Amino acid sequence: ETGVTQTPRHLVMGMTNKKSLKCEQHLGHNAMYWYKQSAKKPLELMFVYSLEERVENNSVPSRFSPECPNSSHLFLHLHTLQPEDSALYLCASSQGTGWAGANVLTFGAGSRLTVL
Amino acid sequence: SQQGEEDPQALSIQEGENATMNCSYKTSINNLQWYRQNSGRGLVHLILIRSNEREKHSGRLRVTLDTSKKSSSLLITASRAADTASYFCATANAGGTSYGKLTFGQGTILTVHP
Repeated sequence: ETGVTQTPRHLVMGMTNKKSLKCEQHLGHNAMYWYKQSAKKPLELMFVYSLEERVENNSVPSRFSPECPNSSHLFLHLHTLQPEDSALYLCASSQGTGWAGANVLTFGAGSRLTVL
Repeated sequence: SQQGEEDPQALSIQEGENATMNCSYKTSINNLQWYRQNSGRGLVHLILIRSNEREKHSGRLRVTLDTSKKSSSLLITASRAADTASYFCATANAGGTSYGKLTFGQGTILTVHP
């Protein structure tokens, strides 16, 4: 266990479904991130939350909706997804909230999403 | 082009041999990090080297950074079958206001045969 827990580990959904991915960190970190990892592509940063405030939305389609109710929890709400959204979604956290320190990310094990 | 491109894309060696992976980047960096990912799992941080450092060691890992060439290398000595994984470099840009934004490369797939 890395201290970042993601659920579910696997999710299969239809294009009209609504589902959510959950991430919880037990490290007392101040920032949380969602990354998308697709085959043969670099990791793509989707969203960043620092002290529960969204500080980056990396041109992600509105069918992905993040929520950060507190500094320990992060959700990614999914609706009307497309088959090309199938990927491994990784949550990460870091202690630092900016460039003042060197931000080292602690990742969860990921949620493997398949959109039919 | 993306920041942080690894070379080679895949590397296959025998147990006991050394493995060297390279990373090139395009813009000025604050630091460069290497991560490891076992198949279907999350990434695990291995080592961070700051822009004013040239070499860093951690156990069997040795990382070098050449800012004049905008490149870094990761050396794993005396490899083991358990080192089989994908290895990613990630660059943290110098300056800017992006909160912890790291740009990852596509990774090097390392296979160590017993």
